[in-house]
Amino acid sequence: KAGVTQTPRYLIKTRGQQVTLSCSPISGHRSVSWYQQTPGQGLQFLFEYFSETQRNKGNFPGRFSGRQFSNSRSEMNVSTLELGDSALYLCASSLEMASGNNEQFFGPGTRLTVL
Amino acid sequence: AQSVTQLGSHVSVSEGALVLLRCNYSSSVPPYLFWYVQYPNQGLQLLLKYTTGATLVKGINGFEAEFKKSETSFHLTKPSAHMSDAAEYFCAVSLRPNYNQGGKLIFGQGTELSVKP
Repeated sequence: KAGVTQTPRYLIKTRGQQVTLSCSPISGHRSVSWYQQTPGQGLQFLFEYFSETQRNKGNFPGRFSGRQFSNSRSEMNVSTLELGDSALYLCASSLEMASGNNEQFFGPGTRLTVL
Repeated sequence: AQSVTQLGSHVSVSEGALVLLRCNYSSSVPPYLFWYVQYPNQGLQLLLKYTTGATLVKGINGFEAEFKKSETSFHLTKPSAHMSDAAEYFCAVSLRPNYNQGGKLIFGQGTELSVKP
């Protein structure tokens, strides 16, 4: 069974641009969560989607948005990029809505660099 | 609000020595507890988790952790370190399903484990 895939793996953008990251969950998984990892702030929860609905959201500005499609694939978008948005963005999928004890399987991440 | 503290951002041990990575949590309600490992340029892999029941939890690669409610701790141990254990380790908590935060994981800052030959 294929794992969680994220595309692209690496991305370089300039300030002010926008970016879209993609995540394909494990087949059959319906929940997708997104996390931002930076050296300074560590791993922080962005949002979770289940059945095309955002179920939970972290403390990030409105420039960060996401969506989930009917096949459970998810995208996250960051508009008006800032230098501080440089990070590793991790996607995680789980079988059902992340309920605490459901194991979340992580993808390899997308490394975003903002110049 | 929940929080996780990992004592020591870097831990170095010799091959064959005991590995002890410390994790303390703060939560107003009993959380679920997790340890994840991250190898360079990779995502996170679940080592073990505590949800309910036995407080000593065994995970993959010979790791185990003990949930101590009175100490609000969930330290990770391995009796004998191997070179392949060198990686970054994250402790995390999430709330139980009857709270609407669902499965949102709150991570500690991570501990980088080095293993010397």
